[in-house]
Amino acid sequence: LAKTTQPISMDSYEGQEVNITCSHNNIATNDYITWYQQFPSQGPRFIIQGYKTKVTNEVASLFIPADRKSSTLSLPRVSLSDTAVYYCLVGPMDSSYKLIFGSGTRLLVRP
Amino acid sequence: GAGVSQTPSNKVTEKGKYVELRCDPISGHTALYWYRQSLGQGPEFLIYFQGTGAADDSGLPNDRFFAVRPEGSVSTLKIQRTERGDSAVYLCASSLGGNANTGELFFGEGSRLTVL
Repeated sequence: LAKTTQPISMDSYEGQEVNITCSHNNIATNDYITWYQQFPSQGPRFIIQGYKTKVTNEVASLFIPADRKSSTLSLPRVSLSDTAVYYCLVGPMDSSYKLIFGSGTRLLVRP
Repeated sequence: GAGVSQTPSNKVTEKGKYVELRCDPISGHTALYWYRQSLGQGPEFLIYFQGTGAADDSGLPNDRFFAVRPEGSVSTLKIQRTERGDSAVYLCASSLGGNANTGELFFGEGSRLTVL
């Protein structure tokens, strides 16, 4: 499974756009990129998933360049409630798929 | 309930004791996962069930850890002769699995195990 590298922590202020970049240099052809969010004392929650180019949903956008060796999670106009740990994961969408989490990025949103 | 349910939410035990943690997945989800999360770390994969069988148990740290899912729904994680290093939050997740796998796992809130 492809290894991912992401910043340990990030700080932001309410109302700003936050971009968290993840590196996955050895991503395989059949790998997808998935982001999860985790609040204290809760299990991780799926945010967004993509294979290439751009994916957008009601929560975030995911930008994936043509070489797919990195991806950027974009959170528009963050609020205090977006303070959480964000995990980038890479793996194939087949029946043997298991999520391998790294240490994630701790995002702190300040007032 | 609609989500993944885990019991107990908190368990305190003494070193050497036996512990069982239960997971009730979302109805209709054929895939079930157990993870362990230590403070400040990401969740660590333990075992993955597809139906009743353990499709991948490569994450179980040693033979003191065992998990079952006899009817393809509820799963129990069993830890024998607990050690202080087993203290962690044990997370269960479920997903559609199989050919319907989308990579979206639904996690429970976890069972916090403390071994004294």
